[in-house]
Amino acid sequence: GEDVEQSLFLSVREGDSSVINCTYTDSSSTYLYWYKQEPGAGLQLLTYIFSNMDMKQDQRLTVLLNKKDKHLSLRIADTQTGDSAIYFCAESDGGFKTIFGAGTRLFVKA
Amino acid sequence: DTGVSQDPRHKITKRGQNVTFRCDPISEHNRLYWYRQTLGQGPEFLTYFQNEAQLEKSRLLSDRFSAERPKGSFSTLEIQRTEQGDSAMYLCASRGQGVNYGYTFGSGTRLTVV
Repeated sequence: GEDVEQSLFLSVREGDSSVINCTYTDSSSTYLYWYKQEPGAGLQLLTYIFSNMDMKQDQRLTVLLNKKDKHLSLRIADTQTGDSAIYFCAESDGGFKTIFGAGTRLFVKA
Repeated sequence: DTGVSQDPRHKITKRGQNVTFRCDPISEHNRLYWYRQTLGQGPEFLTYFQNEAQLEKSRLLSDRFSAERPKGSFSTLEIQRTEQGDSAMYLCASRGQGVNYGYTFGSGTRLTVV
């Protein structure tokens, strides 16, 4: 069945780059997303990538997609304490639902 | 329009009681989704509306769960005869027609069943 896997925790120092990794199983995934969730809040869409793309850059965020290995990563450059949150990887085949991973909790140390 | 609104933010109820949550999506979004999120997990899909039509409800967790979107605007999610296992965050999201670039989520309703 469909599944999205992420590591649970990542700790980085302020100013360093963060790389959050994700693997998915659905070969028909068309859209892949990264969402951010801060405590007590809903999820905020950070960025997305279409499955026919290898890379997308948006300011401090870089998304890399290896479709052959079904591997997605999110790189945050110059990580700040305000980036501390849970980051969810998600995939959709363009249908009615999106499958989310369990989230990676990012800790940024000052 | 300030985004997706959910009400209440928190609900504490006794086991066996019925609860109803409301979601007001972004006004021009015709697609509305309900998800459930338990601690340490990502959101889990429950149901989906396009305008007032409920196009997918097979993932609703049991027949105690029901959702409506009577006029294609706001939506309600009802849980009857609540159980402790229903304790979770219930998230609503909306998306515009023809746009598959991701959801706009509300802040959620946190349900605690005691």
